[in-house]
Amino acid sequence: AQSVTQPDIHITVSEGASLELRCNYSYGATPYLFWYVQSPGQGLQLLLKYFSGDTLVQGIKGFEAEFKRSQSSFNLRKPSVHWSDAAEYFCAVGAAGYSTLTFGKGTMLLVSP
Amino acid sequence: KAGVTQTPRYLIKTRGQQVTLSCSPISGHRSVSWYQQTPGQGLQFLFEYFSETQRNKGNFPGRFSGRQFSNSRSEMNVSTLELGDSALYLCASRETANTGELFFGEGSRLTVL
Repeated sequence: AQSVTQPDIHITVSEGASLELRCNYSYGATPYLFWYVQSPGQGLQLLLKYFSGDTLVQGIKGFEAEFKRSQSSFNLRKPSVHWSDAAEYFCAVGAAGYSTLTFGKGTMLLVSP
Repeated sequence: KAGVTQTPRYLIKTRGQQVTLSCSPISGHRSVSWYQQTPGQGLQFLFEYFSETQRNKGNFPGRFSGRQFSNSRSEMNVSTLELGDSALYLCASRETANTGELFFGEGSRLTVL
């Protein structure tokens, strides 16, 4: 069975500082990996995805993530955080031809002035 | 192109009642998935429909059901509501059933009293 672990429930980052959100997955084959963001009272917005190819993927809003098969990780990064980035971030994994995504519990990002 | 539209956005029910939630996918998308989001369990897959057929179902009791219409719109129904059914119900659509990313709606917030 596939699973996703986001070790950090909350992270506080100063505005302008860099950000890395951790995601570890468990899946037997090559996974499809996603990062979604959710603002309060909103649905999920896709930040970026990895299906195959280049292991460093670029997303919207200046985010990027790197797929590391040897570490079963797909960490999300941003070089300079803005106050508007404060939200909850979810990592998700699916199989090729997936019908369902398995989500992590989420990491709440707080941005301090 | 309009996004995924879910109605109603908020509703309050009492134990024992039933509820129907509606989802209109992005135009041209034929696959619709439903997820339940709660603080304790996080995001959990309910079911996926493609071309009016249920393609997959999560581990939820039979009180949770759904259907998809010929125009790809989907409804989910929860009968005999329990307090634990209070959650944000998210609908997501994608073009096909085997590939592509999920686009989520803003959700229907159900409170059971």
